[in-house]
Amino acid sequence: EDQVTQSPEALRLQEGESSSLNCSYTVSGLRGLFWYRQDPGKGPEFLFTLYSAGEEKEKERLKATLTKKESFLHITAPKPEDSATYLCAVQETGANSKLTFGKGITLSVRP
Amino acid sequence: DVKVTQSSRYLVKRTGEKVFLECVQDMDHENMFWYRQDPGLGLRLIYFSYDVKMKEKGDIPEGYSVSREKKERFSLILESASTNQTSMYLCASSLGQGRSQHFGDGTRLSIL
Repeated sequence: EDQVTQSPEALRLQEGESSSLNCSYTVSGLRGLFWYRQDPGKGPEFLFTLYSAGEEKEKERLKATLTKKESFLHITAPKPEDSATYLCAVQETGANSKLTFGKGITLSVRP
Repeated sequence: DVKVTQSSRYLVKRTGEKVFLECVQDMDHENMFWYRQDPGLGLRLIYFSYDVKMKEKGDIPEGYSVSREKKERFSLILESASTNQTSMYLCASSLGQGRSQHFGDGTRLSIL
């Protein structure tokens, strides 16, 4: 069973059409949950870290939230340049800095 | 900004060759990581290192080894390359537990 599950696998939005990406996780103790953006042919780029349920972080059109079982990445009024793959990863307590990644969500925003 | 540099963007090797992938970070990070990324499988951890000369196996270490002689440099070694090791290889570094990992741009390795 996967520890980190992201849904949907792919999402196509019209420019300006807000939506949310989901990351659900099953770990016994969460040290941190991380969101990354990855463009084709590039390495993942760090976006946010969330540490405890109820925490929220924002950056431009992106807002990440965390509950005890899942995280959401909300995208408000997306633009075509937001098109990318969004990765979620968790670090368990006692995991010695290891991250477990989900398979990612490919977002396409049409003009 | 943290910079993680991987020595090659693209590499083509033959089966049976010994292959070295190099990674350097410039932020004095304690931890360094090697992943491979394959379609439908996501990012999978091969090896990581939490100090110079210290290493630990990740989820898929078979067929690989690593070397960390200096804090800033972490090398991935394919002892005898095989076609199923064709993949995108990503290096990352981090300050420590609970801190984000910062990635290089990857090496796309093809084994023929």
